[in-house]
Amino acid sequence: SQTIHQWPATLVQPVGSPLSLECTVEGTSNPNLYWYRQAAGRGLQLLFYSVGIGQISSEVPQNLSASRPQDRQFILSSKKLLLSDSGFYLCACYTRDRVVRGYTFGSGTRLTVV
Amino acid sequence: GDSVTQMEGPVTLSEEAFLTINCTYTATGYPSLFWYVQYPGEGLQLLLKATKADDKGSNKGFEATYRKETTSFHLEKGSVQVSDSAVYFCALTESSGSARQLTFGSGTQLTVLP
Repeated sequence: SQTIHQWPATLVQPVGSPLSLECTVEGTSNPNLYWYRQAAGRGLQLLFYSVGIGQISSEVPQNLSASRPQDRQFILSSKKLLLSDSGFYLCACYTRDRVVRGYTFGSGTRLTVV
Repeated sequence: GDSVTQMEGPVTLSEEAFLTINCTYTATGYPSLFWYVQYPGEGLQLLLKATKADDKGSNKGFEATYRKETTSFHLEKGSVQVSDSAVYFCALTESSGSARQLTFGSGTQLTVLP
């Protein structure tokens, strides 16, 4: 089955600093990849998704960007963090493989912008 | 667009009590429906799913039935345990299209007291 590695688990960053969160997938190829954010007291909001290398779709205008430099690597970035970027960030993948079809989630990164 | 409306929390129950968490949805097509669970400090895990009308998903004593006529997918468990304390998310995905992104409800925090 597929596994998602997401790091770091927690991060405290000052306002105006850059951000880079990385997510890698094992056990499948050509997955769809997603970045979700869960703000305090709110549900999961889809930020970006990718159906292939170099293909990024943005769901919500953000201070954030995403890139997919390799098939199983998905990166969430920001040049200058805002206080409102604080939250719990989850990477997810969807695989069309007939045996393991379905969604898998990473363990998340809790980002606090101070 | 698609949306999921989920029962507001938090919900606090005594051990062995009956649990219902309401979930209704709006979708343009024929979605698949999911319940995910998030234990403290962890990512999301699939609890159960249903892919067509009248399907019943079940797992670990939890059940939910896909009701197309009421556009609902309520989660139930006859006797909750302390270990069921977690955040529960209702979600859907459209069966067509390549993106296959999940749309989540706001989540319901469940606390079960001994």
